[in-house]
Amino acid sequence: DTGVSQNPRHKITKRGQNVTFRCDPISEHNRLYWYRQTLGQGPEFLTYFQNEAQLEKSRLLSDRFSAERPKGSFSTLEIQRTEQGDSAMYLCASSFAEAFFGQGTRLTVV
Amino acid sequence: QKEVEQNSGPLSVPEGAIASLNCTYSDRGSQSFFWYRQYSGKSPELIMSIYSNGDKEDGRFTAQLNKASQYVSLLIRDSQPSDSATYLCAVTDTGNQFYFGTGTSLTVIP
Repeated sequence: DTGVSQNPRHKITKRGQNVTFRCDPISEHNRLYWYRQTLGQGPEFLTYFQNEAQLEKSRLLSDRFSAERPKGSFSTLEIQRTEQGDSAMYLCASSFAEAFFGQGTRLTVV
Repeated sequence: QKEVEQNSGPLSVPEGAIASLNCTYSDRGSQSFFWYRQYSGKSPELIMSIYSNGDKEDGRFTAQLNKASQYVSLLIRDSQPSDSATYLCAVTDTGNQFYFGTGTSLTVIP
């Protein structure tokens, strides 16, 4: 399978815990995006990498969120001290021209 | 603030009819335009991309772009029940940042 891969697919965590998600993009894609989506809404931009450089981060994103893309390959998204409002689907997409999404990670904070 | 506006619907059409989905965008500098289909609980799936004014056809799907009016549309001919989904419009800016609308829910009635 050469598509975008995200792990885990589902994550249930207690409020206050830290979580980390992983995204493996399509290998020849140099751009990688993280989005968050809640029910009835379109994907909300979180952050964007070109190769290993983080080019943009949403102003809506608190400092509890951090993302990395070491060596321009896979990326991780970490949420520290999770809150119930963080419950959402976290989507990763990679792009050369068109963006292709992974299956998403559904986070539930209890 | 770069905005992508879609009628949230729901839009209902009978099987075999033409479904028409519309999208407007605020940034005149937008470069590329995309339509994604998203089934409930799944991640968005790219169905069409369009980069220049006019029409682009792919099977039962036709994308139409009018940059002067800042308008992009998607026509689905011979609609099938399997087309029932939420359709997301996305545009990119000069920095390759993707902006999504909130989506239009389409139901095709057998």
